[in-house]
Amino acid sequence: DAKTTQPTSMDCAEGRAANLPCNHSTISGNEYVYWYRQIHSQGPQYIIHGLKNNETNEMASLIITEDRKSSTLILPHATLRDTAVYYCIVRVGTGGTSYGKLTFGQGTILTVHP
Amino acid sequence: KAGVTQTPRYLIKTRGQQVTLSCSPISGHRSVSWYQQTPGQGLQFLFEYFSETQRNKGNFPGRFSGRQFSNSRSEMNVSTLELGDSALYLCASSQGQGRNGYTFGSGTRLTVV
Repeated sequence: DAKTTQPTSMDCAEGRAANLPCNHSTISGNEYVYWYRQIHSQGPQYIIHGLKNNETNEMASLIITEDRKSSTLILPHATLRDTAVYYCIVRVGTGGTSYGKLTFGQGTILTVHP
Repeated sequence: KAGVTQTPRYLIKTRGQQVTLSCSPISGHRSVSWYQQTPGQGLQFLFEYFSETQRNKGNFPGRFSGRQFSNSRSEMNVSTLELGDSALYLCASSQGQGRNGYTFGSGTRLTVV
């Protein structure tokens, strides 16, 4: 699975958009970009994933650059409850060594301030 | 629907003992994965089971083992506990190969003294 690079920490004001970047310059054509977050003392929570098109769900939007070497997770109106560690993970969708395996890096600590 | 359930929530064991942790996946999910989380190493993949078969394994010693039952519930076992095994153990479930994401439980906090 491709390696990802994320900033160690970011701050965001409550109510504003939080934009979390992720670099994955060695991503392969069959690898998806996944985002998870982990709120303190809880298990990680799946947020969103995409292959090459931008994606949106009730939690967030995912913007993937045309060359797929980087992406941005957008939380449109951050709340205090969005304070968490956000992980960007790149992996193949199915098969082989991907079975059940997510390779977590250090992630980005997002702190949302009142 | 009910989420991924892990029991027990907290556990204290003595060095040299063994421990068994349990994970009940979301109904209909046949894949169960296990992870270890420590402050130093972060989240690390242990193994994954699907239809009672281990399909993938992380880089952990043989003291760490697991199994899955016909109802998809899974257990992991750690034998001859060491202080370094103190961690949050998380399980995650998915319907198939996790393309649409995994659902994690809240974990079991194991402390080895």
